[in-house]
Amino acid sequence: DVKVTQSSRYLVKRTGEKVFLECVQDMDHENMFWYRQDPGLGLRLIYFSYDVKMKEKGDIPEGYSVSREKKERFSLILESASTNQTSMYLCASSLTTGPTDTQYFGPGTRLTVL
Amino acid sequence: DQQVKQNSPSLSVQEGRISILNCDYTNSMFDYFLWYKKYPAEGPTFLISISSIKDKNEDGRFTVFLNKSAKHLSLHIVPSQPGDSAVYFCAAFLSGNTPLVFGKGTRLSVIA
Repeated sequence: DVKVTQSSRYLVKRTGEKVFLECVQDMDHENMFWYRQDPGLGLRLIYFSYDVKMKEKGDIPEGYSVSREKKERFSLILESASTNQTSMYLCASSLTTGPTDTQYFGPGTRLTVL
Repeated sequence: DQQVKQNSPSLSVQEGRISILNCDYTNSMFDYFLWYKKYPAEGPTFLISISSIKDKNEDGRFTVFLNKSAKHLSLHIVPSQPGDSAVYFCAAFLSGNTPLVFGKGTRLSVIA
């Protein structure tokens, strides 16, 4: 069974802090994704990666960066956290990019920036 | 511009009745559609999908219908159960190396 884990379920940070959100998957999936979920806005793609050391911008990359040094780990970095980055952050992975390869999501990290 | 639209932010249905969740899309090149279900404080989980070459796919109480000419799909849940209360996301796949495109979600409440 695929498992996607995220380093924290809840996180509280101060404005201007550097924030790292870690995601690890245990099924050797090629693809990994970072989303944020906000009320009324649904799931918005921040960044994704189809291979180690590879990254692609999603729909809302501003204010974020990512790192994928190992296949199983995909990190989301908030260089200088701001209050409008308070959100639920969801990591996902999939085996390939085919439509039948569903994305498996982690439990999410609820980030609050004060 | 939103390519996948779920125009109803919420839906309330009585237990035992049918729940119908709707999704519209604008890009006729989408060739695969998926529904995900999300409970609070959990990540979304895959529910059911349909290829663009089909018009119906059924899995137990869940059926997805696709009307390509109208660029519309719907998820039917029969009978609805309180445990179905969740946010449902419609998603579409374009082809090639592109990520899924998600709608904004519909919150379903099934009342006992």
